[in-house]
Amino acid sequence: QKEVEQDPGPLSVPEGAIVSLNCTYSNSAFQYFMWYRQYSRKGPELLMYTYSSGNKEDGRFTAQVDKSSKYISLFIRDSQPSDSATYLCAMSAGNFNKFYFGSGTKLNVKP
Amino acid sequence: DGGITQSPKYLFRKEGQNVTLSCEQNLNHDAMYWYRQDPGQGLRLIYYSQIVNDFQKGDIAEGYSVSREKKESFPLTVTSAQKNPTAFYLCASNPLLAGNTIYFGEGSWLTVV
Repeated sequence: QKEVEQDPGPLSVPEGAIVSLNCTYSNSAFQYFMWYRQYSRKGPELLMYTYSSGNKEDGRFTAQVDKSSKYISLFIRDSQPSDSATYLCAMSAGNFNKFYFGSGTKLNVKP
Repeated sequence: DGGITQSPKYLFRKEGQNVTLSCEQNLNHDAMYWYRQDPGQGLRLIYYSQIVNDFQKGDIAEGYSVSREKKESFPLTVTSAQKNPTAFYLCASNPLLAGNTIYFGEGSWLTVV
């Protein structure tokens, strides 16, 4: 079993839709949770960083962490065609040398 | 402008040749990393370094070498011993004391023919 599971998609939605992206994990020691956006042939860009449980909001993006269910989510409100990219989740127990990445979900927002 | 600069962006090499990918950061981050990204396989850690003149092997270090002579620089050499070197290579850094997350460069595409 992989440490982090993420549905690869692709996920196709119309412009303006609310998008929900999710990851599940197996290691209860994970405390640091990240979401990255990666455009084609580019490096991943850090979108959201959350420590422990709870919600964090930044503009149209909301990150949720449910440690009891070992489940994290990224919500995108009022999705735009420019949001079309691959979204990677990542997490860590606090060891600087160990980050666990999901395989990425490809999102396509249609105009 | 602070960030992580990787060069070159695209590189073609003949089989059997060593190639060095450059990574420079001006974020004053302590830790630096090299990852390899292949389609459908996610990110795999090649090498990481927490401090100057010290580095450790990651999960797929065979056929690669690194150096950390300066805090801001962490070059990766892909040697001829690497069986399947064609890939997208990502350099990253971590501020450590300011949080445990990593920031990526724009990546380098290496094609070996």
